[in-house]
Amino acid sequence: TQLLEQSPQFLSIQEGENLTVYCNSSSVFSSLQWYRQEPGEGPVLLVTVVTGGEVKKLKRLTFQFGDARKDSSLHITAAQPGDTGLYLCAGVIAGGTSYGKLTFGQGTILTVHP
Amino acid sequence: EAQVTQNPRYLITVTGKKLTVTCSQNMNHEYMSWYRQDPGLGLRQIYYSMNVEVTDKGDVPEGYKVSRKEKRNFPLILESPSPNQTSLYFCASSPGLAGILGEQYFGPGTRLTVT
Repeated sequence: TQLLEQSPQFLSIQEGENLTVYCNSSSVFSSLQWYRQEPGEGPVLLVTVVTGGEVKKLKRLTFQFGDARKDSSLHITAAQPGDTGLYLCAGVIAGGTSYGKLTFGQGTILTVHP
Repeated sequence: EAQVTQNPRYLITVTGKKLTVTCSQNMNHEYMSWYRQDPGLGLRQIYYSMNVEVTDKGDVPEGYKVSRKEKRNFPLILESPSPNQTSLYFCASSPGLAGILGEQYFGPGTRLTVT
């Protein structure tokens, strides 16, 4: 069972469209991160959200952490071909004894066509 | 240049032949971690280390060993590799507790095939 469910797993859109990727869990997370990974490379951090209800913006990307800290979303406005890649959410479960244990979602493969 | 290095980048081996994948970081990070990445499963944490001589199991530790004798190095050891360990492996380091205090810096990955 996946602790962090990411959806959709695949997303194929045209340049200029908007999209949202979701990351959901039944567990509460003390923090959640979003990474982007390109083929042949390791993931690169986009953002970390810590506070319930927090919204962070990174140019055309908007990240939100749910009020209950159980879910998060990544919204991309006016997608561009350069946004193509694998997007991963990852979090540390709150209140656990394994403070260094990081859980990843399955990932969303985004393809933006010119 | 600040980086995480892994070696080898590619490895094909046979079942049962012990192997070690090295990981080194030059950023004086306390936290290091190993992941495997398989299609449709995202990254799954194998082991992590919050400091020298401190290691803990992640979600999929079976069949793997690690050690943290010095801060910069965190090797991953497969004592008796099996075909189900064929995967893409990533090492990562972070200045603090992953997910809370700092971002993780990932190495370039090691693609392992066990026949």
